[in-house]
Amino acid sequence: NAGVTQTPKFQVLKTGQSMTLQCAQDMNHEYMSWYRQDPGMGLRLIHYSVGAGITDQGEVPNGYNVSRSTTEDFPLRLLSAAPSQTSVYFCASSYSGHSNTEAFFGQGTRLTVV
Amino acid sequence: QQQVKQSPQSLIVQKGGIPIINCAYENTAFDYFPWYQQFPGKGPALLIAIRPDVSEKKEGRFTISFNKSAKQFSLHIMDSQPGDSATYFCAAAILTGGGNKLTFGTGTQLKVEL
Repeated sequence: NAGVTQTPKFQVLKTGQSMTLQCAQDMNHEYMSWYRQDPGMGLRLIHYSVGAGITDQGEVPNGYNVSRSTTEDFPLRLLSAAPSQTSVYFCASSYSGHSNTEAFFGQGTRLTVV
Repeated sequence: QQQVKQSPQSLIVQKGGIPIINCAYENTAFDYFPWYQQFPGKGPALLIAIRPDVSEKKEGRFTISFNKSAKQFSLHIMDSQPGDSATYFCAAAILTGGGNKLTFGTGTQLKVEL
């Protein structure tokens, strides 16, 4: 099992450009989410999905879009990149429900917007 | 609005010492309290977690103490080793059928010196 795979690992964008951060998991997890990690602020939830076709906003959703067409994939789209979106982005997945709650994280995508 | 407050921001201990990291939360609906460990360049990984119906949980050298009335929980690392040097995040979630929507603390950078 590969677990949670994120691509790319590093990316530099110019202000105004768009891009998609890819996330895939092979654990058949229903729940997937995107976080951003900034110094001194911990990880903050951007968007999440409880299953294919269902997404919802987290704490900091502005400037980002998501979709979930399959159980395995949960891409994060930056519509028009801004310097404030410079961050490290983590995708996570877990089972839904109370019995098995461990969230597995990918290795992260370090994004710089210039 | 920081729903989970974590302290200290950084911590240096000698090998064999017992670092203690503290977290406090506001939302009494939280019912799952995990701790994540993160090494540089990697995604967070679950270390240990506790539910509010117990006051302590121990796994190896790691112990969570939980005080429901004070809305506080803490991580103790017994006999700390240089390999424990990492960033530690506390988190909290409300577990529903919808999955694992985590609210993180701001992180504690731990360094264990020889």
